[in-house]
Amino acid sequence: SAVISQKPSRDICQRGTSLTIQCQVDSQVTMMFWYRQQPGQSLTLIATANQGSEATYESGFVIDKFPISRPNLTFSTLTVSNMSPEDSSIYLCSAAGYTFGSGTRLTVV
Amino acid sequence: KQEVTQIPAALSVPEGENLVLNCSFTDSAIYNLQWFRQDPGKGLTSLLLIQSSQREQTSGRLNASLDKSSGRSTLYIAASQPGDSATYLCATSNDYKLSFGAGTTVTVRA
Repeated sequence: SAVISQKPSRDICQRGTSLTIQCQVDSQVTMMFWYRQQPGQSLTLIATANQGSEATYESGFVIDKFPISRPNLTFSTLTVSNMSPEDSSIYLCSAAGYTFGSGTRLTVV
Repeated sequence: KQEVTQIPAALSVPEGENLVLNCSFTDSAIYNLQWFRQDPGKGLTSLLLIQSSQREQTSGRLNASLDKSSGRSTLYIAASQPGDSATYLCATSNDYKLSFGAGTTVTVRA
């Protein structure tokens, strides 16, 4: 199965700034997904990213806050924009729903 | 909207005891159900995947059952070891989108 390299693994950011998280897959995958795991809660799907088309966002998530790029079949980025402490979470990318990156632990101060 | 519930939220057992983790879901129209293991700082590892047409899957000491009609799945871990300490998540799949439960945090005491 595919292996995903996700970075950064963790970051502490100032409120009002933005952070871009990268995921590199070692093989071509059609569908990639971005999830958020808030403290003490389960994973929630943010959006689905397909190469060559705009990402599809789940209810409660908007492109202005979480812009996603998918320039090719092995790479995707998620940006968390204009951060507030409520954005402190673990963010994970997934390929085809089976393989996950190691996660990015984000703390906003 | 799919709702996935896992009971118990936490479990502590002595080494060697068998583990039983429960997962229930509200919408039986699923493609498959997966069990994942989550370790701190290491993301998620897929343990078992049960297709909607299957009733169980086994891998080593792990066995997972699926009853779609009742909206339930159970993960059994035989002869637990301290290395089994982790959070276990179940997730249902619909078109590759996963709906996760909140997880069961397992501690196996040596």
